[in-house]
Amino acid sequence: DAGITQSPRHKVTETGTPVTLRCHQTENHRYMYWYRQDPGHGLRLIHYSYGVKDTDKGEVSDGYSVSRSKTEDFLLTLESATSSQTSVYFCAIKGGQQETQYFGPGTRLLVL
Amino acid sequence: SQQGEEDPQALSIQEGENATMNCSYKTSINNLQWYRQNSGRGLVHLILIRSNEREKHSGRLRVTLDTSKKSSSLLITASRAADTASYFCATARNSGGSNYKLTFGKGTLLTVNP
Repeated sequence: DAGITQSPRHKVTETGTPVTLRCHQTENHRYMYWYRQDPGHGLRLIHYSYGVKDTDKGEVSDGYSVSRSKTEDFLLTLESATSSQTSVYFCAIKGGQQETQYFGPGTRLLVL
Repeated sequence: SQQGEEDPQALSIQEGENATMNCSYKTSINNLQWYRQNSGRGLVHLILIRSNEREKHSGRLRVTLDTSKKSSSLLITASRAADTASYFCATARNSGGSNYKLTFGKGTLLTVNP
């Protein structure tokens, strides 16, 4: 998994509660990404980061915020979780000058 | 909106047979990539083909790209049960600097029966 860990790996929460997912990388990569994967939709980009404190929106950013205060950590926050945010969330990094991405193991989130 | 669309959505074959998956996309791209996802796991990069390339090989994988038709195909030869997974195409477009945004299709679920 290219030195990428995600925590927690599974989480059940209730509608309206805040949730923060963490992505941690050990290889000092500049670019980090958050995706969500849903049946019938494939993977969709939520937010990405191109450096410490530098982030930008992806295709499905509404209801999500991100922060990157250290190179190694990229946090995804659901300020007030909704059932539509039940999904599997994947973090990815872009390896150096390569155009490919390397994915973490995923976080399965259930919002009741 | 999804850039890549795989076809078929599901494919079931016998071990030893070849598997072909197709991907169509809508806009210009820098490159097209194929990823594999085993059940419950993250995606793993398989192969990348650039927009100025027509064919690429890696082991038992063969990828073709037809930019005039905006389509790509992934061929897995002599399939094995371990090839059972979902396969995704992803189109890459440069979004500034060295950043490339990937847009994924919905995937093809390949089942290889022993």
